[in-house]
Order: sequence, then C-alpha cells, then structure tokens
Amino acid sequence: EAGVAQSPRYKIIEKRQSVAFWCNPISGHATLYWYQQILGQGPKLLIQFQNNGVVDDSQLPKDRFSAERLKGVDSTLKIQPAKLEDSAVYLCASSEWTSGDTGELFFGEGSRLTVL
Amino acid sequence: DAKTTQPNSMESNEEEPVHLPCNHSTISGTDYIHWYRQLPSQGPEYVIHGLTSNVNNRMASLAIAEDRKSSTLILHRATLRDAAVYYCILRSILFQGGKLIFGQGTELSVKP
Repeated sequence: EAGVAQSPRYKIIEKRQSVAFWCNPISGHATLYWYQQILGQGPKLLIQFQNNGVVDDSQLPKDRFSAERLKGVDSTLKIQPAKLEDSAVYLCASSEWTSGDTGELFFGEGSRLTVL
Repeated sequence: DAKTTQPNSMESNEEEPVHLPCNHSTISGTDYIHWYRQLPSQGPEYVIHGLTSNVNNRMASLAIAEDRKSSTLILHRATLRDAAVYYCILRSILFQGGKLIFGQGTELSVKP
C-alpha cells in the first residue's frame, strides 16, 4: 500500500517569496491534516480537512497561509509571502474517517522549508 | 484539549526494556491515550492506543493506571532503531475526526 506522498522534500526561498507544498494521501482516506514542525518542537496542527471541507483551521495564519483540497483527494498548502519564522518541516497526514476511537494517522516524510 | 506531561529525555541500553511515562491528570472519560513516535528525519508513526485496559501489539505495550491519570509505554527490548521522540497524546472521540495535538514528547536514546 502506497503511503502519504509529499513534494517537494526540500525548498529554499527568500523571505517575501511564495511557496507551495503538495500532498497525496493514502487512497480512500477521507481526513487530511497539515502540520508545521519547527526544529526541536512537536508538530503543530495547521488545518484539518474532511473530504474537501475544512474541519479545523483555527491555527492556520490566514493572512499568509492557505490550503485547499480539491475533489477530496490531493491537497496543496501555500505560503505567501513567506517569513523567516516559517522555516519548518510541513507534514501531511491522512486517516480514514471514523466517528469514534482510533483512525490512525499516517504521515508523509514532510517538506522541509528554509526561508532566508 | 487535555494536556500530557512527559520527561524531555530518557536513555536506555540496547536489548533492555524501556518504560516511558506520561501524566495526564485532566483526562476525560472520552479521551483515548495515543502514542506516536518520530524517528530522525521522518514523519511521526503510530505506536499504540488505549482507553482503560492495558494493550499490547507487535511494537509495544501500553499500561494505563486504574484512575487513567497516567500511562506507560513499554518497549520490551529496545533496539538502536527505537531511538526516537515518543509522543503521548490524548485524543477525544467527541471531536470530528479526532485531531491529534502533539506536545514536546520524550527523546529516547538507546546505547549499544
């Protein structure tokens, strides 16, 4: 079974430039998450999708970050304009929809962003 | 979201058991206890989860205190590959899709 695919793996940009990250979740997984992980910290949830609708985006800095999940499959996270503090690994995860318990999250390897 | 408290770091010797503690004194009755780990330069991966009873799987065991205010992840024989950051997370079944909120975790180092 193919895992969660993310690209690009690495990206270096200058501040005020824009960048986009792409995520392809595991086939059939209805829920998709984007996390930001700053060096030395645990992952921080940015946004959660259920199919192509947003469930939670309370931690997404909406003045510069945007995310979409067209057709309830692939997702794109965009940052425009980037700031130095956006340097981090951006992790995408997916899970099957569950009304209760588990729903194990499967994570991709992440996209490492460096803003100069 | 209910909070968990874990030691920042722990050390273990290879092939010995490891007990990773987690305190969650404000846990509610609808919170499951989940453990994930993150190997260097990789995304987190699921380890185990439970509600009230102790749980075992091929990776680890989870021991949950009777009052559910603490739990312990047990690796029965640590290997070098188990060196990672281990996250203890409370996940409510009441929230749609059960979002996962990570803390700082415990960084486990394994000595040969």
